[in-house]
Amino acid sequence: DGGITQSPKYLFRKEGQNVTLSCEQNLNHDAMYWYRQDPGQGLRLIYYSQIVNDFQKGDIAEGYSVSREKKESFPLTVTSAQKNPTAFYLCASSQWGGGGTEAFFGQGTRLTVV
Amino acid sequence: RKEVEQDPGPFNVPEGATVAFNCTYSNSASQSFFWYRQDCRKEPKLLMSVYSSGNEDGRFTAQLNRASQYISLLIRDSKLSDSATYLCVVNGLTGGGNKLTFGTGTQLKVEL
Repeated sequence: DGGITQSPKYLFRKEGQNVTLSCEQNLNHDAMYWYRQDPGQGLRLIYYSQIVNDFQKGDIAEGYSVSREKKESFPLTVTSAQKNPTAFYLCASSQWGGGGTEAFFGQGTRLTVV
Repeated sequence: RKEVEQDPGPFNVPEGATVAFNCTYSNSASQSFFWYRQDCRKEPKLLMSVYSSGNEDGRFTAQLNRASQYISLLIRDSKLSDSATYLCVVNGLTGGGNKLTFGTGTQLKVEL
């Protein structure tokens, strides 16, 4: 079945550590996105990518990094520079061109700093 | 001004009521528009796309007004199962390509 997969579902990190969240899609979508959601809040865009080897900062990119070496994969690294990393992280993908299509989401990763 | 703004919630309505959500967007180059539903602690899921001519899917009706940069969602005959957060989403063209921007969401609680 086609879809978008995030792993792990739950992640615990010690303060000062970098951690990488995985996002893989087999929908052949060009565009991929990372969002952060805090309790009771909306989705805020961290990074997005339209094509391989290219990505753009979203509204809250500080403390995060991404790569897009393959069309299927868009991993997000939460660095030690991110001061408040505990949140729900959502990855999405969509087809690009012609105004774009709807986004499909992974099930999310809940990151907790301990 | 936020790129996408939605009505503040929560909306508490009785079962069977009609409820409307509004959303405005600031990027006039926006090309496609959607309503998503998000249940507690879950990922958002597409409810419906929004077209200029308006579109209806059962009890749900979406409208787009490009001149006013305004989107709406109408839910008729509300069910308990409609309780969720409804997110307005705008796909706008930027220098970096298509960018999906979400509103903060409006929480709906349907009560007996």
